[in-house]
Amino acid sequence: QVQLVESGGGVVQPGTSLRLSCAASGFIFNTYAMDWVRQAPGKGLEWVAVVSNDGDTKKYADSVKGRFSISRDNSENTVYLQMNSLRVEDTAVYYCARTMRQGVAATSDAFHMWGQGTMVTVSS
Amino acid sequence: EIVLTQSPATLSSSPGERATLSCRASQSVSTYLAWYQHKPGQAPRLLMYDASNRATGIPARFSGSGSGTDFTLTISSLEPEDFAVYYCQQRNNWPLTFGPGTKVDIK
Repeated sequence: QVQLVESGGGVVQPGTSLRLSCAASGFIFNTYAMDWVRQAPGKGLEWVAVVSNDGDTKKYADSVKGRFSISRDNSENTVYLQMNSLRVEDTAVYYCARTMRQGVAATSDAFHMWGQGTMVTVSS
Repeated sequence: EIVLTQSPATLSSSPGERATLSCRASQSVSTYLAWYQHKPGQAPRLLMYDASNRATGIPARFSGSGSGTDFTLTISSLEPEDFAVYYCQQRNNWPLTFGPGTKVDIK
């Protein structure tokens, strides 16, 4: 059974850091790119970042560039999102998502599988 | 950045009716457009990819069309479980972007 389980969310103060994790199971993890997508309260979906299947290619939304870092550990079937210098506007449910197709060429792809999300609240 | 515009913002319909949702891109995305269904408290669900291909397990009442800048998601006959928010998303250019969503609610 294909499954993505996020963890690491919580309530933090502005300017601090948080690391999210997404544990994957049920598929060959190192053949798929992985993304983070977020949804702020009452807002729509916003793509945050992607890491290619081999970890060599990483892309970010302008809103998080320089503050967030995506990485993966293919030996642990886990993708991470390191979030630094958090802002109130980063408050959102953060979803990890798996691309539909395999391989480096599919780093940009539709999001086929999604986790249930983890809530991050940035508030003073 | 490619901006996606969805219309209408809200579509009030009854079960059994046909629903037509529109997504327009600020520049061509070829056919690299996907549609998602999202219900409160749940993970989003991929419906269509590459404009007109149904994802695994998606009922045939969902269909997608379009290329370039204009795309349509059609639900031929609304079922009670179809009332949700629908998002389009492009993968032609970085950054990947979503439209603001169309809420399909019960009339």
